[in-house]
Amino acid sequence: AQKITQTQPGMFVQEKEAVTLDCTYDTSDPSYGLFWYKQPSSGEMIFLIYQGSYDQQNATEGRYSLNFQKARKSANLVISASQLGDSAMYFCAMREGSTGFQKLVFGTGTRLLVSP
Amino acid sequence: SAVISQKPSRDICQRGTSLTIQCQVDSQVTMMFWYRQQPGQSLTLIATANQGSEATYESGFVIDKFPISRPNLTFSTLTVSNMSPEDSSIYLCSVERGVRNTDTQYFGPGTRLTVL
Repeated sequence: AQKITQTQPGMFVQEKEAVTLDCTYDTSDPSYGLFWYKQPSSGEMIFLIYQGSYDQQNATEGRYSLNFQKARKSANLVISASQLGDSAMYFCAMREGSTGFQKLVFGTGTRLLVSP
Repeated sequence: SAVISQKPSRDICQRGTSLTIQCQVDSQVTMMFWYRQQPGQSLTLIATANQGSEATYESGFVIDKFPISRPNLTFSTLTVSNMSPEDSSIYLCSVERGVRNTDTQYFGPGTRLTVL
């Protein structure tokens, strides 16, 4: 079974609008972390935001916020006031466990296109 | 965050040859990670490299095909051996840094490999 599911292969948004990128996850571990990365066409992976399973509040980083719904096992990324430079692939990832090294598992990604 | 550099940034190689990718980090880290991203796909962990010990490979990846060196705490290399067109991918190294009570993986800029 997929650990991380991103059901939107592509999303379109107009500049200055907000957009939500969906991510659902599957784990039985009570301790886990959820990450979002941005990958521009250059190929680098840029860390955007992190949400821990025990965090009481939704994570925010500038224009990025994470809509964390634990019961639904969803961790959607919200980008406010989209900019042309936000056009990229976006990957959701999960790490299970809280001790030692646990690898990141990535979703299949969502391609976001911001239009003027 | 972490400053990570990779060399080469891209290369075009002939089948049957080998390519060594270098990853340099701006400060000492315990573990370094190597990922592969095949065209249009998500990231898959190849192996984890600790300084002074053998790398730990994920299922589907073997040392003969992807030998890894970790001579010190700021440097690692990944070799893609006996290449075939199926090895055409972006190869990324990453390291973990503690940020806000969690370890976040930061990625290098990637090496875009094309095998003819």
